[in-house]
Amino acid sequence: DGGITQSPKYLFRKEGQNVTLSCEQNLNHDAMYWYRQDPGQGLRLIYYSQIVNDFQKGDIAEGYSVSREKKESFPLTVTSAQKNPTAFYLCASSTGLAFNEQFFGPGTRLTVL
Amino acid sequence: AQRVTQPEKLLSVFKGAPVELKCNYSYSGSPELFWYVQYSRQRLQLLLRHISRESIKGFTADLNKGETSFHLKKPFAQEEDSAMYYCALSLDNYGQNFVFGPGTRLSVLP
Repeated sequence: DGGITQSPKYLFRKEGQNVTLSCEQNLNHDAMYWYRQDPGQGLRLIYYSQIVNDFQKGDIAEGYSVSREKKESFPLTVTSAQKNPTAFYLCASSTGLAFNEQFFGPGTRLTVL
Repeated sequence: AQRVTQPEKLLSVFKGAPVELKCNYSYSGSPELFWYVQYSRQRLQLLLRHISRESIKGFTADLNKGETSFHLKKPFAQEEDSAMYYCALSLDNYGQNFVFGPGTRLSVLP
């Protein structure tokens, strides 16, 4: 494996705490994405970034924040404002061009205690 | 709005039986369709895409623009095909250009 990595694999946090999930890629991709995966709901887009220093909200951005200061990194912060943060989070990257496939990381499972 | 539907949450077949995972989409433009697969404890990965017209691991998928469908088929299912399958629609625009379906869990029974 390589290409796109996420850490940690498992993450636990207490209610009211912010937590940051890491996503790094060495594919020289311009575009990066964060998805949330819940049983029976498929993949829902949280945020995406087409280029460094730019990012856009996806379908379920409330309670999340991101930054894109470097091409290879796209960290996601789950804030205390996210009402139901326990989920599996997937990061992906692509060239950003139309019709290009997305490559996925192994995911981070976040559990709020 | 663009949508991808996969009517079956769970599909169970016996080993050696044919399998078809359904996918329908709604999009007025020219789409590119993908099938992604997620095996147990592995990352989500591309299985096949419409434009390449390949057969991967015995799976094929045909785009039917009239029925707006992109069903995934395999004539003889194997136990190792058990996984979660997602149909995805890629749009011909810059930006938020990928839409995933809800997924179908395929279980191939011995």
